[in-house]
Amino acid sequence: GAVVSQHPSWVICKSGTSVKIECRSLDFQATTMFWYRQFPKQSLMLMATSNEGSKATYEQGVEKDKFLINHASLTLSTLTVTSAHPEDSSFYICSARENSRGELFFGEGSRLTVL
Amino acid sequence: ILNVEQSPQSLHVQEGDSTNFTCSFPSSNFYALHWYRWETAKSPEALFVMTLNGDEKKKGRISATLNTKEGYSYLYIKGSQPEDSATYLCAFSGNTPLVFGKGTRLSVIA
Repeated sequence: GAVVSQHPSWVICKSGTSVKIECRSLDFQATTMFWYRQFPKQSLMLMATSNEGSKATYEQGVEKDKFLINHASLTLSTLTVTSAHPEDSSFYICSARENSRGELFFGEGSRLTVL
Repeated sequence: ILNVEQSPQSLHVQEGDSTNFTCSFPSSNFYALHWYRWETAKSPEALFVMTLNGDEKKKGRISATLNTKEGYSYLYIKGSQPEDSATYLCAFSGNTPLVFGKGTRLSVIA
């Protein structure tokens, strides 16, 4: 089956640093990818829709300057949490929509802890 | 704000028992209801995509029903096995991107 690789799986960083998370579709092309965040005991919440070659569409309340999304190729989207603070500590997960059939496949997620 | 509710939040059953859980979603602007199975440290895996009122889908021992008029879907697992232990997520899509419930965490005890 289709595979989406997300890296890193977990990261611990100091407050004020920036962290980049990669989401790759390994065996299919994805014009559209999605980034979600999940706080403990909460739902997966959509942060932004990432479109290859164009600007991401951010959900209400998500700061685009803080969560930089780049989708430069049909197989890779990156999320950079800039100047991370402890309140950004969360589980981040991406999904990629396969171009040919429109199916959605998820990465394994990245757990970010900001000290 | 769209609200997708799942119940129960968690469930412990004995191996061999059958079980079911619920997903409630808005009944207006419905497009599809998705069920995912999410094992710890793995990617959520799509189980079903349901679009029609009255839909029933089955995959092995797992089945799901859909009522779009009243806004609920049931997921059934027959003869639960330890490998069924996971979080089961439902997600609603209307004229918006997917909106997820908080999931039902199922533990099957051998």
